[in-house]
Amino acid sequence: AQSVAQPEDQVNVAEGNPLTVKCTYSVSGNPYLFWYVQYPNRGLQFLLKYITGDNLVKGSYGFEAEFNKSQTSFHLKKPSALVSDSALYFCAVREWGFQKLVFGTGTRLLVSP
Amino acid sequence: SAVISQKPSRDICQRGTSLTIQCQVDSQVTMMFWYRQQPGQSLTLIATANQGSEATYESGFVIDKFPISRPNLTFSTLTVSNMSPEDSSIYLCSVVEALNTGELFFGEGSRLTVL
Repeated sequence: AQSVAQPEDQVNVAEGNPLTVKCTYSVSGNPYLFWYVQYPNRGLQFLLKYITGDNLVKGSYGFEAEFNKSQTSFHLKKPSALVSDSALYFCAVREWGFQKLVFGTGTRLLVSP
Repeated sequence: SAVISQKPSRDICQRGTSLTIQCQVDSQVTMMFWYRQQPGQSLTLIATANQGSEATYESGFVIDKFPISRPNLTFSTLTVSNMSPEDSSIYLCSVVEALNTGELFFGEGSRLTVL
């Protein structure tokens, strides 16, 4: 069965510094990987995805993520954090051929001024 | 991407009552799903809403408690029946536009508080 782990409940970073939010996954076959962001009292917004091709994928709001097959990881990154990036971030995985999307437990990102 | 509207956005309900949440999409979509997000928790898939047939429920969720309808390709409802305080959650409708990539798009959610 597919699964996702987000090992950090919270990540704290100062504005202007680079940020990384970690995600590892487990699937039987080829993974489809996704990052979503949730702002307070809002639904989830799609940030980016990895399906195939380049291991570095770029998404919305300056975020990017690096797919690493050997480490089964898909960490979310941004070169320079903004206070407005403070939110809850979810990693998700889908196995090719299956429609079900499985979410991690979420990581709260707090960017301080 | 599809625009997804959910109603109600929030509600306060009494124990033992039932509430129906509506999800309207502005375009025809292949698949629709209902997720639950309990306070401080991640998202858990309740069921896949199948057009014109019974929904497909995940382990731990049953039709009597969470009846779902999907009469066409743009609309679905989720009913939370005989509510208890443990049902206090955000309920999220989501859709898949492209089967080959499979990213979900979400509505804003319906925040239910059961007293």
